[in-house]
Amino acid sequence: GAGVSQSPRYKVAKRGQDVALRCDPISGHVSLFWYQQALGQGPEFLTYFQNEAQLDKSGLPSDRFFAERPEGSVSTLKIQRTQQEDSAVYLCASRPGAQGSSNQPQHFGDGTRLSIL
Amino acid sequence: SQQGEEDPQALSIQEGENATMNCSYKTSINNLQWYRQNSGRGLVHLILIRSNEREKHSGRLRVTLDTSKKSSSLLITASRAADTASYFCATDNAGGTSYGKLTFGQGTILTVHP
Repeated sequence: GAGVSQSPRYKVAKRGQDVALRCDPISGHVSLFWYQQALGQGPEFLTYFQNEAQLDKSGLPSDRFFAERPEGSVSTLKIQRTQQEDSAVYLCASRPGAQGSSNQPQHFGDGTRLSIL
Repeated sequence: SQQGEEDPQALSIQEGENATMNCSYKTSINNLQWYRQNSGRGLVHLILIRSNEREKHSGRLRVTLDTSKKSSSLLITASRAADTASYFCATDNAGGTSYGKLTFGQGTILTVHP
């Protein structure tokens, strides 16, 4: 596709429910990042994939957060037993190159705004 | 946790004026990038400056980097109402992984009045 696509754009869930957020990166992009952006703040790193391999998940806040990219393209971020503090915008970004290509910019989707009631 | 500090937190100017935003960071970097975010949208990459560069231009944008002071500035010249957005600096920190995860500042909200 022309850009990074995320769905849904908005998600409202009750506390305790599980949610799944989808990211379709730009076709052919090797690197994929997930970030969490709280209201009025800058994005914070969650996890990084190089193709299907999750090379860094150090930013995931708890073991309730899980991400996958099984075929090296589409990625899903899953949050189990959601809490109110999980309310945020979740941004996905992709980049053409793999490790060593940090001088390439990241291309961001419009994000999923998650609200936990 | 956020590494960068940006100032000002908010900036309000008239169309045609210049806007300057500053960013400070704490650790050594490979590069520093500036992104723009319109309300409710994702981030759009503006410009990247490498640690061995001091200044870079792109259209109406000018970025400077002072690694001795661990700071950067973004200058937007002849601003337009369409420049109204939040602006974030982000660093690719040195000494860690080589895949370029970004550490963002808290952003500057720029409002350009027609």
